[in-house]
Amino acid sequence: KAGVTQTPRYLIKTRGQQVTLSCSPISGHRSVSWYQQTPGQGLQFLFEYFSETQRNKGNFPGRFSGRQFSNSRSEMNVSTLELGDSALYLCASSQSEGVLNEQFFGPGTRLTVL
Amino acid sequence: AQSVAQPEDQVNVAEGNPLTVKCTYSVSGNPYLFWYVQYPNRGLQFLLKYITGDNLVKGSYGFEAEFNKSQTSFHLKKPSALVSDSALYFCAVRDFSGFNRDDKIIFGKGTRLHILP
Repeated sequence: KAGVTQTPRYLIKTRGQQVTLSCSPISGHRSVSWYQQTPGQGLQFLFEYFSETQRNKGNFPGRFSGRQFSNSRSEMNVSTLELGDSALYLCASSQSEGVLNEQFFGPGTRLTVL
Repeated sequence: AQSVAQPEDQVNVAEGNPLTVKCTYSVSGNPYLFWYVQYPNRGLQFLLKYITGDNLVKGSYGFEAEFNKSQTSFHLKKPSALVSDSALYFCAVRDFSGFNRDDKIIFGKGTRLHILP
């Protein structure tokens, strides 16, 4: 069974631009969560989607948004990029709703904002 | 609001010795606790979780963790360390308050484990 895939793996953007990251969960998994990982802040929860609905949201500004499609694939969008948005963005999937279930993480998308 | 702390940024252990990676938490309800590991150039991998029941939880790769409610701790342990255990370890907690839909998972800052040959 294929693991969680994230595209692209690397991105370089400039301040003010917007970016869309994609995540394909493990086949059969309906829940997708997104995390931001930085050296200073560690791993921070962004949001969780289940059945195309956002179920939970972390403490990030409205510039960070996401969505989930009917095939469970998810996208995350960051608008008006800031230097501080440079991070590794991780996607995780699980079979059902809620982070109590074991989450399977993708390799991440490393975003660099110049 | 829940929080989790990993007091050590780095832990060095000689190969073959027992290892402990510390984690303490704070929640208002019942804690759900997790350990994840991140190997270099690889994604996070689930190690183990505590939901309820036996305080000693066994996980992948020979790791185990002990839930201690009075000390609000969930330390990760392994009886005999391997060089291949060298990685970044994250403790995480979710405050299960029943019907609170705002209960998120919170990760610690991570502890880098170095196993010395």
